[in-house]
Amino acid sequence: QSALTQPASVSGSPGQSLTISCTGTSSDVGSYNYVSWYQQHPGQAPKLMIYEVTNRPSGVSNRFSGSKSGNTASLTISGLQAEDEADYYCSSYRSSSSLMVFGTGTKVSVL
Amino acid sequence: QVHLQESGPGLVKPSQTLSLTCTVSGGSIRSAGYYWSWIRQHPGKGLQWIGYIYYSGSTYSNSSLNSRVSISVDTSKQQFSLKLRSVTAADTAVYFCARSTVTHPDAFDLWGQGTMVSVSS
Repeated sequence: QSALTQPASVSGSPGQSLTISCTGTSSDVGSYNYVSWYQQHPGQAPKLMIYEVTNRPSGVSNRFSGSKSGNTASLTISGLQAEDEADYYCSSYRSSSSLMVFGTGTKVSVL
Repeated sequence: QVHLQESGPGLVKPSQTLSLTCTVSGGSIRSAGYYWSWIRQHPGKGLQWIGYIYYSGSTYSNSSLNSRVSISVDTSKQQFSLKLRSVTAADTAVYFCARSTVTHPDAFDLWGQGTMVSVSS
């Protein structure tokens, strides 16, 4: 099964905004609004940040926002903070027997 | 507060069966509307969804692993389990159990801490 495509790394300075892309196909991101984003710090389990493209779970900072256009979903982090330095993964429902597929992951560095 | 905890051997020999259990505490595994999933992460790599089970026993697995995967639930013990047969070194990974909902199937909102499983002779 092929993973969703994300940039390997993205960096920004404190206070800046950055956007992570997640490119899929018409069989997943392009056809369903079941796109989610996860933050993972080293040695920890992933944490849900965004679900169904734009929804934030209770307790997640409103500095995190999601969007989608065509086959590409995006996660934007505004007002970048040192604690945002982590790996980020997107995920999508896929209309095949893979059902749920994750992205390749993006390492966010705060300069 | 609901908590998930994985347990099982940290080392499995090639060709044998990997067996892991996830214990749900602080809430009922029989709560309607939840899917209970297994997800793994190869060392230094991304995440791979393995499959899920509903409290009724209905399951769905990733087709890339389908023929080797069995997921079961024991509601009396508040546990669900993973069996992965005929393992190879490629199955070495951190294995997580996680929860999502029927209404938001993409939202894995609760995760266990993960357990490292190495496949080696």
